[in-house]
Amino acid sequence: GAVVSQHPSRVICKSGTSVKIECRSLDFQATTMFWYRQFPKKSLMLMATSNEGSKATYEQGVEKDKFLINHASLTLSTLTVTSAHPEDSSFYICSARLPGQGEAFFGQGTRLTVV
Amino acid sequence: KQEVTQIPAALSVPEGENLVLNCSFTDSAIYNLQWFRQDPGKGLTSLLLIQSSQREQTSGRLNASLDKSSGRSTLYIAASQPGDSATYLCAVDLSGNTPLVFGKGTRLSVIA
Repeated sequence: GAVVSQHPSRVICKSGTSVKIECRSLDFQATTMFWYRQFPKKSLMLMATSNEGSKATYEQGVEKDKFLINHASLTLSTLTVTSAHPEDSSFYICSARLPGQGEAFFGQGTRLTVV
Repeated sequence: KQEVTQIPAALSVPEGENLVLNCSFTDSAIYNLQWFRQDPGKGLTSLLLIQSSQREQTSGRLNASLDKSSGRSTLYIAASQPGDSATYLCAVDLSGNTPLVFGKGTRLSVIA
């Protein structure tokens, strides 16, 4: 199947710093990508929809100035957690849809720990 | 608003058993339905995609069915193995390029 690559898989950062997570569709072009957050033993929570060449659409309650999304090309979306706090520690996953049939593929996830 | 429910929340079976995971959704106007597997600390792996016009899809020991009119899908796993232990997620798609709506998953344990 199609491949979505997410990097890094694990990151530890200090409070107040910023962390960038990359999501790439390796063998197809994705005009739209999705960013999710997952808490332990919980299902995925949609954070935002990333649109190539335009602003991201954020879900209610998600701070757009804290979670900066950039979708600069048809194969790359980035999520930057700015001024990270310990409560931002979580598992972040990105997804892209295959054009046509719409099958969704997910990245490997990024475990963020803010200390 | 579309809601997806998965039953049971957790399931433990001995190796070799056939099992069925259930998924129901409230709005039958879906574009497709997808089943995923998630291992602890990992991303989601796509298992099966069923288009709205299809009734079932098969891949190896997995078979997924879709009954749009009743808002139900089932994932059948034949001859379960310990390696099948994971969380299985059902998700519906409303239009082909919108966010998927997920159920909370079924946590499966297959005991050797």
